[in-house]
Amino acid sequence: EIVLTQSPVTLSLSPGERATLSCRSSQSVSSYLAWYQQKPGQAPRLLIYDASKRATGIPSRFSGSGSGTDFTLTISSLEPEDFAVYYCQQCTNWPLTFGGGTKVEIK
Amino acid sequence: EVQLLQSGGGLVQPGGSLRLSCAASGFTFSPYAMNWVRQAPGKGLEWVAGLRGIGDNTYYADSVKGRFTISRDNSKNTLFLQMNSLRAEDTAIYYCARDRTWYSSSWNFDYWGQGTLVTV
Repeated sequence: EIVLTQSPVTLSLSPGERATLSCRSSQSVSSYLAWYQQKPGQAPRLLIYDASKRATGIPSRFSGSGSGTDFTLTISSLEPEDFAVYYCQQCTNWPLTFGGGTKVEIK
Repeated sequence: EVQLLQSGGGLVQPGGSLRLSCAASGFTFSPYAMNWVRQAPGKGLEWVAGLRGIGDNTYYADSVKGRFTISRDNSKNTLFLQMNSLRAEDTAIYYCARDRTWYSSSWNFDYWGQGTLVTV
């Protein structure tokens, strides 16, 4: 099973700041990695797929990069609605797995 | 508008069974792979099971293999999760989720149901 390790666990930032979230895979997943955002009481929302492609309707302040085992989700300038938990997911090996999540909280 | 409407959650005793349903609307259901993802209270996401749109191949997390069965009725645009031999550790919110692509499954998920709580 592929293990995805997200860091940091919690990121405390102010609106307008840049957020950089990391996801490291225990083995290569090529570019088959997705990122999701989840707010309390809501279902997850797909942000990024294939490591760097924004899903439909996702603002351009969200960007993804990386391949192989190291991936990054960047939020260029945090908006109030961006404070949430973010998960990465590998889409290539069974079983599919998610990272443990990074909580982006207001500083 | 794409909608996934879930039903069937609730409280069940250990060892019991429950069947979850996910009724799809607003898109052509049959070509899309569908999945179940769960989230234990206060915890992260765990993929549970997936089912291809074409070919009926099924995939399971090791934690549920042999106890849970994913299936679909394309004539009724509905996805199911039959859960048997339930354990306390199966307690979670269960989400159904649609694959982002049709025919060629991407195994990432662009539409999600509202979630249904299963308490064992």
